[in-house]
Amino acid sequence: DIVMTQTPLSLSVTPGQPASISCKSSQSLLYSDGKTYLTWLLQKPGQPPQVLIYEVSNRFSGVPDRFSGSGSGTDFTLKISRVEAEDVGVFYCMQTTQLPVTFGGGTKVEIK
Amino acid sequence: EVRLLESGENLGQPGGSLRLSCEGSGLIFSSYAMTWVRQAPGKGLEYVSSISAAGGSTHYAEPVKGRFTVSRDNSKNTVYLHMNNLRVEDTAIYFCAKDTMPQAVYNLDYWGQGILVTVSS
Repeated sequence: DIVMTQTPLSLSVTPGQPASISCKSSQSLLYSDGKTYLTWLLQKPGQPPQVLIYEVSNRFSGVPDRFSGSGSGTDFTLKISRVEAEDVGVFYCMQTTQLPVTFGGGTKVEIK
Repeated sequence: EVRLLESGENLGQPGGSLRLSCEGSGLIFSSYAMTWVRQAPGKGLEYVSSISAAGGSTHYAEPVKGRFTVSRDNSKNTVYLHMNNLRVEDTAIYFCAKDTMPQAVYNLDYWGQGILVTVSS
């Protein structure tokens, strides 16, 4: 199974400040079709996960442009240019390149 | 608007059985693979199972292989998770998620609200 390692475990951010989360996979997530199936999810308190970014850097419909994703191979990053109060929750990276689907352990973001 | 709604019996005993359903609306249900993901209380996300759009291909995580069966009825826009030989460690919120392709798994774009399943004697 592909192991996904996220850092940091938690972040406390002042509104308006940037934030960055790292996700590393134990194997390359580049698939034979040339795409890299790395997704970033946000799970707000009491809600199901919602997709923010798919295929490394594509923002999902309705996601604000303060969220951006980058990376390749085994190293990936989610950046929030200016954190807002509504961004509170747990961020997960998820790989769907190879079954079983695996998830990072999560990064809990709090607002100072 | 795509919606996925999980339902079913949500309290079971060790060794017992439960069936979960996930009904989709706002989409051509028969065109997409579907996946189940679970989350134990206070824990992270864990893959459970996937089924292709036509139902001919299924995949299972090791902890549930041989105990859980995924199936679908496209005439009812519904995917099912049949859970047998339940264990206490199966206690979790179960989410269904829609794929963007007929085969599993590519991108999981829409997720249901989830249903809490409790296994306890």
